Amino acid sequence: GQNIDQPTEMTATEGAIVQINCTYQTSGFNGLFWYQQHAGEAPTFLSYNVLDGLEEKGRFSSFLSRSKGYSYLLLKELQMKDSASYLCAVIDSNYQLIWGAGTKLIIKP
Amino acid sequence: DGGITQSPKYLFRKEGQNVTLSCEQNLNHDAMYWYRQDPGQGLRLIYYSQIVNDFQKGDIAEGYSVSREKKESFPLTVTSAQKNPTAFYLCAASAGEVWEQFFGPGTRLTVL
Repeated sequence: GQNIDQPTEMTATEGAIVQINCTYQTSGFNGLFWYQQHAGEAPTFLSYNVLDGLEEKGRFSSFLSRSKGYSYLLLKELQMKDSASYLCAVIDSNYQLIWGAGTKLIIKP
Repeated sequence: DGGITQSPKYLFRKEGQNVTLSCEQNLNHDAMYWYRQDPGQGLRLIYYSQIVNDFQKGDIAEGYSVSREKKESFPLTVTSAQKNPTAFYLCAASAGEVWEQFFGPGTRLTVL
């Protein structure tokens, strides 16, 4: 079966750095997305990785290792508004998007 | 502004009634999707459409129906056959399979 694993919940302090991990076992791989979802709202796109390595975009970076079936989202200089769920999603060999359950990130002052 | 609209934001229906959720996009994207999200869970695909007049079942299509008569519109009907319809419903559109999906604001359906 296809599976994406993320921690259910993480807590971090304002101003700190947090890394949210995502491991996947899918039938093939055609890319990985990270989305942010605030409570009661729609997901919004953060990043897309298809090649190994780190993609940096402001305070957010996303890393991919295809050989390990592993990605992480790195959030720096955390702000209270970063409190949200972070969803990892993988495009499989049939170009279907497989979603993880999401990681709820709680930021404390 | 380009985007996706879903209406209404909150919807209440009695058990046994069919209800149709609207989704309209002006992004000119070919692909559209319907997801269901339950509290504390990820997104589950109900139906998707890659082109007008064509659509495919997702993982949890039972009790739902869709139509795609126009590129801009992809309405979802929640039928009385859906055993547990209370959920947050999200519509999305993308330029293609490896492109990011843009989401509408969602409709929270409560069946009483």
